[in-house]
Amino acid sequence: EPEVTQTPSHQVTQMGQEVILRCVPISNHLYFYWYRQILGQKVEFLVSFYNNEISEKSEIFDDQFSVERPDGSNFTLKIRSTKLEDSAMYFCASSDRFSVTEAFFGQGTRLTVV
Amino acid sequence: GDSVTQMEGPVTLSEEAFLTINCTYTATGYPSLFWYVQYPGEGLQLLLKATKADDKGSNKGFEATYRKETTSFHLEKGSVQVSDSAVYFCALSTSGGGADGLTFGKGTHLIIQP
Repeated sequence: EPEVTQTPSHQVTQMGQEVILRCVPISNHLYFYWYRQILGQKVEFLVSFYNNEISEKSEIFDDQFSVERPDGSNFTLKIRSTKLEDSAMYFCASSDRFSVTEAFFGQGTRLTVV
Repeated sequence: GDSVTQMEGPVTLSEEAFLTINCTYTATGYPSLFWYVQYPGEGLQLLLKATKADDKGSNKGFEATYRKETTSFHLEKGSVQVSDSAVYFCALSTSGGGADGLTFGKGTHLIIQP
């Protein structure tokens, strides 16, 4: 069964450092998403990406965040200068059409900022 | 804004027990409702869905009925197994279908003991 793969599964970084979270979506998918879940809180939408550009983003997705699809297979989330409050589980998702029920989620990357 | 509230966990049950995980929602318009499951080390997977009032979603022995009058979408299973141990997320969508429109609850960690 096809799956979305995220690496690393756990990353620890120092406050102020840049971090890149990587995702390999399912190969024929066209829509890509990042969500995050701060420990004990709700899963929150960050950003969606289609046709090589951001299609929607939430208030959380400020100038410290960026996404790109550098080589046609990976989909990355970059946080330029991490803060303690960026510590969370980050989920990547992809779908082949604009349909929430068709989206596949990865297993998540746990980011810990110290 | 839209929101989803689900019972706090962890919920610990013995094998073959009856399961209910409560979920209530607040939304403008007429949302679609979903339950996602995350097994250990895996991504979020869509478990079941309902798109209009009185619809019943079902999959793998789990059921949930869209109750508009009580704004609820409780997850039930008649006889749980150890393999059902996972985190369960209730979610809604009002955005017309895209995965960027998902509003999640905090998740309920279910532990089934043999």
